[in-house]
Amino acid sequence: GESVGLHLPTLSVQEGDNSIINCAYSNSASDYFIWYKQESGKGPQFIIDIRSNMDKRQGQRVTVLLNKTVKHLSLQIAATQPGDSAVYFCAENIRNSWGKLQFGAGTQVVVTP
Amino acid sequence: SQTIHQWPATLVQPVGSPLSLECTVEGTSNPNLYWYRQAAGRGLQLLFYSVGIGQISSEVPQNLSASRPQDRQFILSSKKLLLSDSGFYLCAWSRGVTNTEAFFGQGTRLTVV
Repeated sequence: GESVGLHLPTLSVQEGDNSIINCAYSNSASDYFIWYKQESGKGPQFIIDIRSNMDKRQGQRVTVLLNKTVKHLSLQIAATQPGDSAVYFCAENIRNSWGKLQFGAGTQVVVTP
Repeated sequence: SQTIHQWPATLVQPVGSPLSLECTVEGTSNPNLYWYRQAAGRGLQLLFYSVGIGQISSEVPQNLSASRPQDRQFILSSKKLLLSDSGFYLCAWSRGVTNTEAFFGQGTRLTVV
């Protein structure tokens, strides 16, 4: 079935560098996307979202890019910090699905000193 | 502000025993409610969702059931646990509209022995 998937299961980043986490989706009916951060043993926390009528959205140190042509989503974290170490999930909301979110497998980000 | 409470945080249960996990939301009314399960190193799998009291939809066939006896209360149950029911269970809520993020509880780590 169609699903959200992630290209890299583990990403090692040096502190201070920028991180880029990628996500591919295959459902063309998806119209809303979210990035979540999950620390070990905790529930996922909302980072940033983007609607399908946008191609870029910026938050504090984070930027989400959406390329609908190739069905690709990315999360960029500027000046990665040790506290950014976590698993990052992308999730998609399929149009007319009452808000149900479909999650990918996640990317483990490890920040090294 | 809205808060979501999920308990217990950890649970060890023998095979064949019953299960009851509870989730409550405060500070909002008529939320959509969700139960997700997360296997180790995996993404989140939607188990049940509810758009109102007494309204439960199951996403995957399984040994679990859900109930919503009150507007902001969501319960995950099993009559007889299986080893395969072990995992990290997450309750979440969202506003009753589309294209909105879900907010997660802190999760319950269930180990069936």
